[in-house]
Amino acid sequence: KQEVTQIPAALSVPEGENLVLNCSFTDSAIYNLQWFRQDPGKGLTSLLLIQSSQREQTSGRLNASLDKSSGRSTLYIAASQPGDSATYLCAVEGSGTYKYIFGTGTRLKVLA
Amino acid sequence: EAQVTQNPRYLITVTGKKLTVTCSQNMNHEYMSWYRQDPGLGLRQIYYSMNVEVTDKGDVPEGYKVSRKEKRNFPLILESPSPNQTSLYFCASSRRGGRFGDEQYFGPGTRLTVT
Repeated sequence: KQEVTQIPAALSVPEGENLVLNCSFTDSAIYNLQWFRQDPGKGLTSLLLIQSSQREQTSGRLNASLDKSSGRSTLYIAASQPGDSATYLCAVEGSGTYKYIFGTGTRLKVLA
Repeated sequence: EAQVTQNPRYLITVTGKKLTVTCSQNMNHEYMSWYRQDPGLGLRQIYYSMNVEVTDKGDVPEGYKVSRKEKRNFPLILESPSPNQTSLYFCASSRRGGRFGDEQYFGPGTRLTVT
């Protein structure tokens, strides 16, 4: 059964720092991996989607990489800002199952 | 504006009283899904639908029903709600699922309390 883990559970950094969030999954048979952010009391906003055949995706200050064989993805945030404070979630869509499995998230706080 | 809407946003009900949470998307998406979010457990998929009339169970389908009669709507039905179904519920949609899956768009959430 697919399990998705995100470490650390919480992270606090000063403004301007570059940071890396980690996501690992146990079954490499996936269609894609998606990163989301969730603000308190709000829904999820999609950040980046990486198809299983891709190695990375970039959007602005965000870069996500995927190493399917090792079951790992990282989300790199450059020059962090207080507005980046949120919970970041990763999710994988299982190959052949069409089900999404989410990690429990990393709660990020960027200090001004 | 492209969006996923859910109604109601907040609901307090009693054990055993049937309820329906509606979900609608205006993006002509094929794939729709329901999730529940609980502290410490994260987001868990309840049901999903690859297209009209095609639905399947997620990881936590017990106590829930869904139907997909139209492409844009995917209601979640709790026939006999129980307190352990108290949770924050999200509906989501994407253009496609599977091999050519696309990013998911989420609704604002429905906070359900069952007493």
